[in-house]
Parts: sequence; structure tokens; C-alpha cells
Amino acid sequence: DAGVTQSPTHLIKTRGQQVTLRCSPKSGHDTVSWYQQALGQGPQFIFQYYEEEERQRGNFPDRFSGHQFPNYSSELNVNALLLGDSALYLCASSQNGGPKETQYFGPGTRLLVL
Amino acid sequence: AQSVTQPDIHITVSEGASLELRCNYSYGATPYLFWYVQSPGQGLQLLLKYFSGDTLVQGIKGFEAEFKRSQSSFNLRKPSVHWSDAAEYFCAVGPNPNLNFGNEKLTFGTGTRLTIIP
Repeated sequence: DAGVTQSPTHLIKTRGQQVTLRCSPKSGHDTVSWYQQALGQGPQFIFQYYEEEERQRGNFPDRFSGHQFPNYSSELNVNALLLGDSALYLCASSQNGGPKETQYFGPGTRLLVL
Repeated sequence: AQSVTQPDIHITVSEGASLELRCNYSYGATPYLFWYVQSPGQGLQLLLKYFSGDTLVQGIKGFEAEFKRSQSSFNLRKPSVHWSDAAEYFCAVGPNPNLNFGNEKLTFGTGTRLTIIP
């Protein structure tokens, strides 16, 4: 049973560009959350998707957007990249409807903005 | 707003010694508490979680944590560390699942880096 997978593993972009990160949830999971982990910091919640809709959002600008597909996989899009967007982006999946369901994390995509 | 404080940025212990990593939280109601571990190049792995009931929680890899409401703490412990325990440890808090349907966001601390010396 594959866990949460993310692609690509590493990415280098320049300021002003746009980037798309991808996440496939663990089998049986229908909820996907995205987190940003800056160097030396803990992960910060970006948003969560369920039933192809954004259900909850953290304190991130509109440059950060997402999408969830019918197969529950998800994309994170960041427009007009800034140097400060350099971070490890983590995807977590879980099963909705269970209040005690654990969020399982993928290995992350490391984004470097030059 | 909920928050988590991990006062120790870096801890070094000898292999075989005991370990305690501190975590303090701020939350207006009964929280849902977690400890995750992150090895280099890896994602976060759940060590244990506390929802309610017994305040001493057992996790994987021989870890345990104790919830102390009066001190707003959820410290992680292990009686004897192994070299493979060297990693970054994150404490996180989530809202009480009885109050919110579905999986709400987790708020993480800044982490404690654990180094093991032979």
C-alpha cells in the first residue's frame, strides 16, 4: 500500500515564475492538506481540500491556490514566486468523517526560488 | 488562536540515556495533541497522539508522552535512546475533533533537533 507521494522532489524556480506541486494521497484517503515548512521552522498550514473544494485555509496570500481531482489527488499552485516562498512543501492525507483520523505526510517537495 | 512552543531548539544526549522533549500549548478548549518525527529527507511520521482519557500515551518506537492540563504541556519521553532516534521532533495541536467535523489544521511548534552521541 503506497503512502502519500509527492512530485517533484526538488524544484528550482526564479522570482515571478509560477509553480505546480502534486500530491497523491494514501489509498482510501479523501482529504488532502498542504503545509509549508521554511528552513528551521515547523510546518505551517496552507489549506485543506475535501470533495474537490477548499475547506479551510491558513494565513497565506491568494498567490497560493490549489485543486483536488475526482481521484482525490491534489495540486498546489504558487504564482508570482518570491524568494520567501523557498521551503519544503508537505502534503498530508487523511480520511474524512473520522474525528480521530491521523494525517499522513508525504516526503515533501523542496522548492528553491532564486 | 492555538499555538505550540517547543523551548529547546537542539538537544544532545548520549546513546542509552533517557530523553525528554518539552512541548507547551495554548488552546482555549481541550486540545488534540501530537508528536511527529522528521528524519532528513523524510516526511513527518506520527509518533503518538492524545485525544482524551489516560493522560499517559504510548507511541511507536518506545516513545511516550504525558498530557498535563494544569501545565499546558505534552512532553515526549523515551527511557533509552538509540542512534536511530536522531531526528527533528515536532509537537502539534489540533482542535478537539468532537467540536469540528473532519480533519482540521494542525499547528506545529518550531521543532527540537535531537543529536545522539555514542
